Amino acid sequence: KAGVTQTPRYLIKTRGQQVTLSCSPISGHRSVSWYQQTPGQGLQFLFEYFSETQRNKGNFPGRFSGRQFSNSRSEMNVSTLELGDSALYLCASSLVQVGSSTNEKLFFGSGTQLSVL
Amino acid sequence: DAKTTQPNSMESNEEEPVHLPCNHSTISGTDYIHWYRQLPSQGPEYVIHGLTSNVNNRMASLAIAEDRKSSTLILHRATLRDAAVYYCILSTNDYKLSFGAGTTVTVRA
Repeated sequence: KAGVTQTPRYLIKTRGQQVTLSCSPISGHRSVSWYQQTPGQGLQFLFEYFSETQRNKGNFPGRFSGRQFSNSRSEMNVSTLELGDSALYLCASSLVQVGSSTNEKLFFGSGTQLSVL
Repeated sequence: DAKTTQPNSMESNEEEPVHLPCNHSTISGTDYIHWYRQLPSQGPEYVIHGLTSNVNNRMASLAIAEDRKSSTLILHRATLRDAAVYYCILSTNDYKLSFGAGTTVTVRA
């Protein structure tokens, strides 16, 4: 069974640009959640999509957005990039919605390393 | 938001047990306790999770305090492949995940 796939693996952008990251979940998984990881702040929850609907959102500005398609693949978009957006962006998939049951095991991708210059 | 507190780092010798503590004093009755670990250049990997009772699987054991305000992840016999950052996570009833800062585990051969 293929794991969670994130593309691209590395990305370099300049301030003010926008970026779109992609996440393909494990087949059959309907939940995709996104996380930002930085040395200073650690792992922070961005948002979760389940059945094409955003179910919950962390404390990030509106520049961070996402969507989920009917095949459960998800994209995350960051507009007007700032230097502080440089981070490893991770996505995770699971069968059920985060927080909803005992079988809530998350499978993470290897992440997209975003550098903003 | 529910928070977790973990020590920054722990060291162990190979083949010895490792006990990783986590404090979550603001946990609510329906919050699950999860542990994940992250090896260098990889995404986090599921280790174990539980609600109230102690849990065991092939990777580790999870001991949950009776008042649920703390828990301990136990690696019974550490190997070099267990060297990673271990995260204690609360899955809260508002459908969010609250991550701790993680404990960096070093295993000496």
